[in-house]
Amino acid sequence: DGGITQSPKYLFRKEGQNVTLSCEQNLNHDAMYWYRQDPGQGLRLIYYSQIVNDFQKGDIAEGYSVSREKKESFPLTVTSAQKNPTAFYLCASSIVSPGELFFGEGSRLTVL
Amino acid sequence: AQKITQTQPGMFVQEKEAVTLDCTYDTSDPSYGLFWYKQPSSGEMIFLIYQGSYDQQNATEGRYSLNFQKARKSANLVISASQLGDSAMYFCAMHAGGTSYGKLTFGQGTILTVHP
Repeated sequence: DGGITQSPKYLFRKEGQNVTLSCEQNLNHDAMYWYRQDPGQGLRLIYYSQIVNDFQKGDIAEGYSVSREKKESFPLTVTSAQKNPTAFYLCASSIVSPGELFFGEGSRLTVL
Repeated sequence: AQKITQTQPGMFVQEKEAVTLDCTYDTSDPSYGLFWYKQPSSGEMIFLIYQGSYDQQNATEGRYSLNFQKARKSANLVISASQLGDSAMYFCAMHAGGTSYGKLTFGQGTILTVHP
């Protein structure tokens, strides 16, 4: 089945550690996105990529990094510079940008 | 910059009744699109409906319709014949052109509870 796979679903991290969230899609979509969601809040855009080897900062990029070496993959690294990383992270893709987003099931990161 | 405002933190509706979830937006770009997504407690995001700024008619998808009032910059979601499974968080979102091209901006969401 075509879709977006995020892993891991749950992740615990100690303060000061970097962690990488995986996002893979087999929909042949050009654009991919990372959003952060805090409890009871809307989604805020971290980074997005409209084409391979190119990406742009979203509204809250500080403390995060991404790469887009392959069309199918858009991993997100939460660095130790991110002051409050505990959140629900959603990856999405779209055929074109902008367009309807297809979402993964999310990754819940907890910093201990 | 583009902005989405959802002023209803929570809404309650009786099963089989209709409910309207409010959404207002702000953008200076004449070309934009508006989306509604549903997020059940499981966390997945489900696309419901889309309205383009140049679409002449209001979008409809089954029990969902979008009440698009361009002059008022509102894009309210109407759910007809509510079902218990409609209980979820609902998000309004938009994309526009200019420097925000490619970005989809979300509102804060409205929690809908359907009572039997």
